[in-house]
Amino acid sequence: DTAVSQTPKYLVTQMGNDKSIKCEQNLGHDTMYWYKQDSKKFLKIMFSYNNKELIINETVPNRFSPKSPDKAHLNLHINSLELGDSAVYFCASSQGGGQAKNIQYFGAGTRLSVL
Amino acid sequence: AQSVTQPDIHITVSEGASLELRCNYSYGATPYLFWYVQSPGQGLQLLLKYFSGDTLVQGIKGFEAEFKRSQSSFNLRKPSVHWSDAAEYFCAVGLMEYGNKLVFGAGTILRVKS
Repeated sequence: DTAVSQTPKYLVTQMGNDKSIKCEQNLGHDTMYWYKQDSKKFLKIMFSYNNKELIINETVPNRFSPKSPDKAHLNLHINSLELGDSAVYFCASSQGGGQAKNIQYFGAGTRLSVL
Repeated sequence: AQSVTQPDIHITVSEGASLELRCNYSYGATPYLFWYVQSPGQGLQLLLKYFSGDTLVQGIKGFEAEFKRSQSSFNLRKPSVHWSDAAEYFCAVGLMEYGNKLVFGAGTILRVKS
């Protein structure tokens, strides 16, 4: 009964490939996020969707494209993978409305290794 | 620009000793502040949060944090550390006007020696 689940947990691929990471939350939240944690453990937001609408789009290469088919899912597709894309990608979700909106619940992360 | 600083990259404490992890933020408005913990190979778990009101907040696993506006700080404390507390701790500020994004500090790695 994982609240925020990501698949796959590990992803090893070659440079130039295209890959996707999936995220699903069963908390009934309406906002979902993608964060990137680099090799130095620094966490930075990439995207956020609220009810399938993009609300945060940080300075991220356009090779990264988030897709939200419904408010329980936020997938991350990465084209033409580069070595620098190697990182741990975390999905998170939060509930809209008042202060509860600020509490983000994180998935276990997807460790992407580009060779 | 909004930022969070965790001055200590690594901290080592003895089991049973007290702990304080420092966090300073830079933000013009009243901040929403958080502490998350990440165990090796795991995701981020929320320890505690501050939104408003009482500046001393209690969290899970016996942790507490104190918000000090005058010092722009939100330090995390625990009176007696257990070996299972060894992990990486992240302080974050939540920015409602920026789509509720979290801006994280660089993290502090806690080592517990027996």
